[in-house]
Amino acid sequence: GIQVEQSPPDLILQEGANSTLRCNFSDSVNNLQWFHQNPWGQLINLFYIPSGTKQNGRLSATTVATERYSLLYISSSQTTDSGVYFCAVEPSQHSGGSNYKLTFGKGTLLTVNP
Amino acid sequence: DVKVTQSSRYLVKRTGEKVFLECVQDMDHENMFWYRQDPGLGLRLIYFSYDVKMKEKGDIPEGYSVSREKKERFSLILESASTNQTSMYLCASSSWTSGNEQFFGPGTRLTVL
Repeated sequence: GIQVEQSPPDLILQEGANSTLRCNFSDSVNNLQWFHQNPWGQLINLFYIPSGTKQNGRLSATTVATERYSLLYISSSQTTDSGVYFCAVEPSQHSGGSNYKLTFGKGTLLTVNP
Repeated sequence: DVKVTQSSRYLVKRTGEKVFLECVQDMDHENMFWYRQDPGLGLRLIYFSYDVKMKEKGDIPEGYSVSREKKERFSLILESASTNQTSMYLCASSSWTSGNEQFFGPGTRLTVL
């Protein structure tokens, strides 16, 4: 099945710093999503971004589908940004994967210190 | 906004009990999912439903069953709970018309003693 690798696994920042999280995937995808898992365990949708670039406030994301990677940018980080960030993909049908299941990376644990 | 709710945030059950986890979505999504999340193993799909009364097994269906009698509701059933089913259970919903973007509920932390 499709492989999803996220880097770095852990990241510690001072409040106000910027960061870039990376997601590499091994095959073509129909769907790519970025999530933030809050301390209570809920997965919060950040971006639905199978290709292109999107921005939402201090967060932005870029997916280069032809090169099979996606980047999540966090600018002017705040302590409330702490938590685990997941990238998840749905493989394209032609790649032999199921056309519904999300395959998750292992996540990046972000800690923002005051 | 899409809203996915789950019946309990925390649940403690005993080995051998029958356990029902309920999930409700309010966006008329045709697809609903049950995942479990475990440290070191990540999120894994248990079951998927693409329509009322329709279901497909995911990666780890053993020990679980599901029920979808109404479009908005998807239930996960542990027929006889075991300690290795202690986990975080996450429900999600999506629609093909929006590219299968999945929205998750708050999760249920189940402990089986």
